[in-house]
Amino acid sequence: EAGVAQSPRYKIIEKRQSVAFWCNPISGHATLYWYQQILGQGPKLLIQFQNNGVVDDSQLPKDRFSAERLKGVDSTLKIQPAKLEDSAVYLCASSLGLAPNNEQFFGPGTRLTVL
Amino acid sequence: DAKTTQPPSMDCAEGRAANLPCNHSTISGNEYVYWYRQIHSQGPQYIIHGLKNNETNEMASLIITEDRKSSTLILPHATLRDTAVYYCIVRVAGTSGSRLTFGEGTQLTVNP
Repeated sequence: EAGVAQSPRYKIIEKRQSVAFWCNPISGHATLYWYQQILGQGPKLLIQFQNNGVVDDSQLPKDRFSAERLKGVDSTLKIQPAKLEDSAVYLCASSLGLAPNNEQFFGPGTRLTVL
Repeated sequence: DAKTTQPPSMDCAEGRAANLPCNHSTISGNEYVYWYRQIHSQGPQYIIHGLKNNETNEMASLIITEDRKSSTLILPHATLRDTAVYYCIVRVAGTSGSRLTFGEGTQLTVNP
């Protein structure tokens, strides 16, 4: 079974530029998550989708971050404009559903460096 | 979600059992205990989860105290490849979803 795919793996941009990350979840997984992991910290949930609907975006900085999952499969996370403090690893995860015994499978992440 | 407390770091000798503790004294009856680990430069990896009973799978065992206020993850025969940050998470599902709230975890170092 293929895992969660993410691209690119690495990205370096200047502050105030825009950047987008792509995620392809495990086939059949209805729930998709985006996490931000700053160096030395645990991952923090940014947004959670159930199919193509947003379930939880309470920790998403909506003035600069946006995410979509238009067809309920792939998802993109965008930052516009980027700030220095956005330097982090952006992790995508998926699960079968929202039940607490549905484990989340994580992708390898995209490491973003903002200069 | 209930808060968890873990030691920041632990060491273990290769081939010995690694016992990683976690306190979750404010856990609610409908919250599961999850363990994930993150090897350097990789995404977190699911290890095991439980609600009330002890659980075992091919990777580890999870021992939950009877009052559910603490748990221990046991890696029975640690190898160098088990060196990672281990996260203990309590998780509840509701109508608004079921997030994983990661703390800072325990850095386990397995020594040869």
